[in-house]
Amino acid sequence: EVQLVESGGGLVQPGGSLRLSCAASGFILNGYEMNWVRQAPGKGLEWVSYISTSGSTVYYADSVKARFTISRDNARDSLYLQMNSLRAEDTAVYYCARFPGESNMDVWGKGTTVIVSS
Amino acid sequence: QSALTQPASVSGSPGQSITISCTGTSSDVGGYNLVSWYQQHPGKAPKLMIYDVNNRPSGVSNRFSGSKSGNTASLTISGLQAEDEADYYCSSYRRSSTLVVFGGGTKLTVL
Repeated sequence: EVQLVESGGGLVQPGGSLRLSCAASGFILNGYEMNWVRQAPGKGLEWVSYISTSGSTVYYADSVKARFTISRDNARDSLYLQMNSLRAEDTAVYYCARFPGESNMDVWGKGTTVIVSS
Repeated sequence: QSALTQPASVSGSPGQSITISCTGTSSDVGGYNLVSWYQQHPGKAPKLMIYDVNNRPSGVSNRFSGSKSGNTASLTISGLQAEDEADYYCSSYRRSSTLVVFGGGTKLTVL
């Protein structure tokens, strides 16, 4: 079964850091570009970051640029999101999503919740 | 403000058809045939329903269809069923450092 499983979420104070992980199974991660997408409580989907198959090309939403870093370890079939200088507005469910084309995300994880609060 | 504009809510009765619009610009929706639609039930992850404007992934009902005219894309659901009640989001490729843009979402209520 093709599956993505996120982990690493939790409660963190403003200014703190967290590292999210996304484990892929049922397919070979290195064949796919990947994204992180988040959803604040009661709000819509917000694209956060993209990474190419090799990891050589990355993009970020303006709201997280210079604070978040996306990376991947294809040997471990894993995707990561290092989040630094966290703010209250980063509170959200974070999803990793497979990105087989330039338009769509065809496989999503169940998400991991990040709460930034003192 | 969301990059793509969707109506906040739509409703319909079982068996009817509804259409959800998604308006962008020539830099995203209008410039590429790379619009997708996602369905999200409460507490669940989004599910891809339409990609590349009008293509359905395997397993998605043919009651779901997509189209595009100019800078506006549309999702049509025919033969509404109770299980279609959910939030729907459009997204588009955007040729910029913001690679993907989403709409604000539309809540579909089946009356």
